[in-house]
Amino acid sequence: QSVLTQPPSASGTPGQRVTISCSGPSFNIESSTVNWYQQFPGTAPKLLIYNNNRRPSGVPDRFSGSKSGTSASLAISGLQSEDEADYYCAAWDGSLRAFGGGTKLTVL
Amino acid sequence: EVQLVQSGAEVRKPGESLRISCEVSGYSFTTHWIGWVRQMPGKGLEWMGIIYPFDSDTRYSPSFLGQVTLSVDKSITTAYLQWNSLKTSDTAMYYCARLVGSYYQGWFDSWGQGTLVTVSS
Repeated sequence: QSVLTQPPSASGTPGQRVTISCSGPSFNIESSTVNWYQQFPGTAPKLLIYNNNRRPSGVPDRFSGSKSGTSASLAISGLQSEDEADYYCAAWDGSLRAFGGGTKLTVL
Repeated sequence: EVQLVQSGAEVRKPGESLRISCEVSGYSFTTHWIGWVRQMPGKGLEWMGIIYPFDSDTRYSPSFLGQVTLSVDKSITTAYLQWNSLKTSDTAMYYCARLVGSYYQGWFDSWGQGTLVTVSS
């Protein structure tokens, strides 16, 4: 069981803005950077956000990350059907980095 | 172009040993940590451990310490994940990935395609 807590599921309709949270003890999220990964079924994860709010080249600016205190969030604006995927946060867990439990995003 | 190419799917019996590989190209192998991530069927991602190819400095997540061994062969820019005695609970997809930044703050920017390991009697 991960020390990083994510909601197991989230949903939205096309065009909506959706946020996915990632929370944990102060020794991880508050004191380290947070990254976000996107994974489609049957494929390897892909880096979506690094250093709390930086987007790698090629990631649409519809995706944004933020962090405040012991919580971080991934926001997806202008939701599209192709955003339906699993999303994972990652941060320091005290001994090494760790992933959150993951959030399955459904586009209704 | 950074590429991580993993070895093919494996089927083993409980108690058997196994080593899977991750061949790296497109950058200097010794300058970035390589990590391994487990994904059990229908489950989330688990950070197993990381290895620094320059000096083989290795860090394991507590859940995997003593269960697996990470290693590298710098001469062929390949990282390995090894089990000495597999369990049925080791059945999973395993990914290798390149870590950018420190082991404390870094992120996986490039991933292998995954190696499916099935352990069944």
